[in-house]
Amino acid sequence: AQSVSQHNHHVILSEAASLELGCNYSYGGTVNLFWYVQYPGQHLQLLLKYFSGDPLVKGIKGFEAEFIKSKFSFNLRKPSVQWSDTAEYFCAVNARSGGYQKVTFGIGTKLQVIP
Amino acid sequence: DADVTQTPRNRITKTGKRIMLECSQTKGHDRMYWYRQDPGLGLRLIYYSFDVKDINKGEISDGYSVSRQAQAKFSLSLESAIPNQTALYFCATTPGGGAPGANVLTFGAGSRLTVL
Repeated sequence: AQSVSQHNHHVILSEAASLELGCNYSYGGTVNLFWYVQYPGQHLQLLLKYFSGDPLVKGIKGFEAEFIKSKFSFNLRKPSVQWSDTAEYFCAVNARSGGYQKVTFGIGTKLQVIP
Repeated sequence: DADVTQTPRNRITKTGKRIMLECSQTKGHDRMYWYRQDPGLGLRLIYYSFDVKDINKGEISDGYSVSRQAQAKFSLSLESAIPNQTALYFCATTPGGGAPGANVLTFGAGSRLTVL
């Protein structure tokens, strides 16, 4: 079965610091990869996605992620975080399982940005 | 109006009570999902439905049941609620199919359930 590991469960950064959140998945076949963000008190929304092509994908609000197939990784990055980036970030993998395409989420990383 | 609407948004109930969480969507998507979010555990899939006649168990379906009343409606029931079902529940949809974006989830605002 597919699984997703997020290495950092709680990250605290000062504004303007650089961010990298790790995500690894276990699945040997073709995958679609996602990062979702949940701002305080809100529902999850898509931050960025990778389906195929250029392994470096850019999302909203200056976020980007790089798919490294050999490492089964899809790390999220932002060069300079802002206070408004305080949120919980979820990595997710979509793959075929039991004849169906299913999305599996990591446990999430809470990011706190200090002004 | 939101694309995916969940009701109720908050509910407090007692052990043993039957609870129904409702979800409706205006996206026209065929596929609908119920997830449960717990601190430190992320989102876990309870049930999913790829069309009105296709309902499947997810990772943690025990203690839950679902009904897909129409393409736009997917309800989650707790027949006899217990305290460890206290959680934030999300409904989500995807369009499905083979096109890029077919598996991008659109979430509702969530239903916070507390079982005393």
